[in-house]
Amino acid sequence: GENVEQHPSTLSVQEGDSAVIKCTYSDSASNYFPWYKQELGKGPQLIIDIRSNVGEKKDQRIAVTLNKTAKHFSLHITETQPEDSAVYFCAARDDKIIFGKGTRLHILP
Amino acid sequence: DGGITQSPKYLFRKEGQNVTLSCEQNLNHDAMYWYRQDPGQGLRLIYYSQIVNDFQKGDIAEGYSVSREKKESFPLTVTSAQKNPTAFYLCASSTRTAPGEKLFFGSGTQLSVL
Repeated sequence: GENVEQHPSTLSVQEGDSAVIKCTYSDSASNYFPWYKQELGKGPQLIIDIRSNVGEKKDQRIAVTLNKTAKHFSLHITETQPEDSAVYFCAARDDKIIFGKGTRLHILP
Repeated sequence: DGGITQSPKYLFRKEGQNVTLSCEQNLNHDAMYWYRQDPGQGLRLIYYSQIVNDFQKGDIAEGYSVSREKKESFPLTVTSAQKNPTAFYLCASSTRTAPGEKLFFGSGTQLSVL
């Protein structure tokens, strides 16, 4: 079955700098890759998703890239702001969705 | 406002007791899901339902039960057979019947054992 590895588990960046979170997946049949943001005490919220027929997708300060050959995908956040501090989860789906273990992002003032 | 409401926010279970977590949505979504979240772990699927009166087991269904009598409601019962129930439980819904696509999550219920 699918296995999703997410790195790093914790990331601290200076406000205004960029943050990159990386995920790898094992099942080459996976075709849908969402990213979720979870703030303290709340449920996760979908922030961006990408399908396997697309290599990159952007939404304002957030972008996701997908390399199907290497079976990895990444979340890029530019011009980070304090409200970006949260836990971010990647996921991959073939017949069912599997989540990574999460990255706790700290934005330093 | 449309959304998913989970209650209670905090729940305590005694040894040998069954407890039920509530999940209600007014988004008119067909699919609903229950996930378990443990510290430092990803979300693991307990049960899901794509239509009223039908549901399927997820990866960790043992010790849990669900019902889907109404489109809006998908309650989860944590039975006494679940020996390690302490976790954060998340309910989600989606318009999409493709598994796990574009999920809307509730705010969760923290279950602890007394």
